[in-house]
Amino acid sequence: DVKVTQSSRYLVKRTGEKVFLECVQDMDHENMFWYRQDPGLGLRLIYFSYDVKMKEKGDIPEGYSVSREKKERFSLILESASTNQTSMYLCASSFPNGDEKLFFGSGTQLSVL
Amino acid sequence: GQNIDQPTEMTATEGAIVQINCTYQTSGFNGLFWYQQHAGEAPTFLSYNVLDGLEEKGRFSSFLSRSKGYSYLLLKELQMKDSASYLCAVRANQAGTALIFGKGTTLSVSS
Repeated sequence: DVKVTQSSRYLVKRTGEKVFLECVQDMDHENMFWYRQDPGLGLRLIYFSYDVKMKEKGDIPEGYSVSREKKERFSLILESASTNQTSMYLCASSFPNGDEKLFFGSGTQLSVL
Repeated sequence: GQNIDQPTEMTATEGAIVQINCTYQTSGFNGLFWYQQHAGEAPTFLSYNVLDGLEEKGRFSSFLSRSKGYSYLLLKELQMKDSASYLCAVRANQAGTALIFGKGTTLSVSS
């Protein structure tokens, strides 16, 4: 089974802190994604990556950056956390074939105080 | 712009059949996905449609009409464990690109 692991299930940070959310997948997937999920807004794409060192902005990249130095790891960085970044963050990965499924991690519930 | 609409909430009783609709308006179309998400858990894949018609998988079926920008997920013989959010997602561009998700439909199944 594909496993997508997010480093923290719950995280509490202070406004202005730099925050790193880590995601690792064990199935050699080329594609990796970061979404945030908020009540009433659904899943919104922050950033995604098709390959090592490649990244593309999603729908809401402001205030975030990403890093993909190795194929299995995709990190989301909040340069200076703000309260409006309190959310559930979901990492996902997939193969780039026709009917590829997204495999999601368990999510990180981030609270910024 | 990209827009995916689905009802916010639905309720049904055990043993019944429920249909969750999804309409989409996207810049392109290269597949429609349904995911199930139980409270506090990650979404899991349910179905994929890229051609018009019905795809059946056990108690769950998914239908697509590309000309109408419309899909539905049909759940038969509902069970309590089917209480979850159901997410409709569209891949607007070529294979491998990111999915655009609707806001999800929360289904509550009662006995």
